[in-house]
Amino acid sequence: GEDVEQSLFLSVREGDSSVINCTYTDSSSTYLYWYKQEPGAGLQLLTYIFSNMDMKQDQRLTVLLNKKDKHLSLRIADTQTGDSAIYFCAERTGNNRKLIWGLGTSLAVNP
Amino acid sequence: DVKVTQSSRYLVKRTGEKVFLECVQDMDHENMFWYRQDPGLGLRLIYFSYDVKMKEKGDIPEGYSVSREKKERFSLILESASTNQTSMYLCASCVDNPYEQYFGPGTRLTVT
Repeated sequence: GEDVEQSLFLSVREGDSSVINCTYTDSSSTYLYWYKQEPGAGLQLLTYIFSNMDMKQDQRLTVLLNKKDKHLSLRIADTQTGDSAIYFCAERTGNNRKLIWGLGTSLAVNP
Repeated sequence: DVKVTQSSRYLVKRTGEKVFLECVQDMDHENMFWYRQDPGLGLRLIYFSYDVKMKEKGDIPEGYSVSREKKERFSLILESASTNQTSMYLCASCVDNPYEQYFGPGTRLTVT
């Protein structure tokens, strides 16, 4: 069945780049999304990419999509302590009304 | 800016009580969603609605019902709260395309 997988934890030093990875199984993806969740808060949409794109950049964030390998990544440049959060990847397939969510990657930024 | 608000940040209820969680969005979005979030289980969809008075079951609808009488408001109802419904409840809304969902701050519900 459809599945979205992420590694559970990532630890980086402040100022380094972070790369959070996500793999998905359904090749009929239309959109892929990245969300950020800080402790005790709701999810904040960071960015999304349409499936016919390979890359999208927005300030410190770069999203790369490899459709052949069904792999999505989120790169955060110059990672700051305020970037410490859980990052969720989600996929929409076709016109499906339900998104498929990963379990989230907890990013720890060490000073 | 899209704003999704939820009626309470924290709620404590007793087993067997009827519980109402309300969600309001101010961006005229067609679609609204209720999720619950539990450690290790990620986000699980309870119900969603794609139009006024329309609703569809998500992945875990048992023990819940919903109501959407107005476009901006989506209510989640726990008919008879149980301890296994202790969780963080998240509401979201979006337009049809690109379907990026905007979330409220969440309601942490404790059932004792």
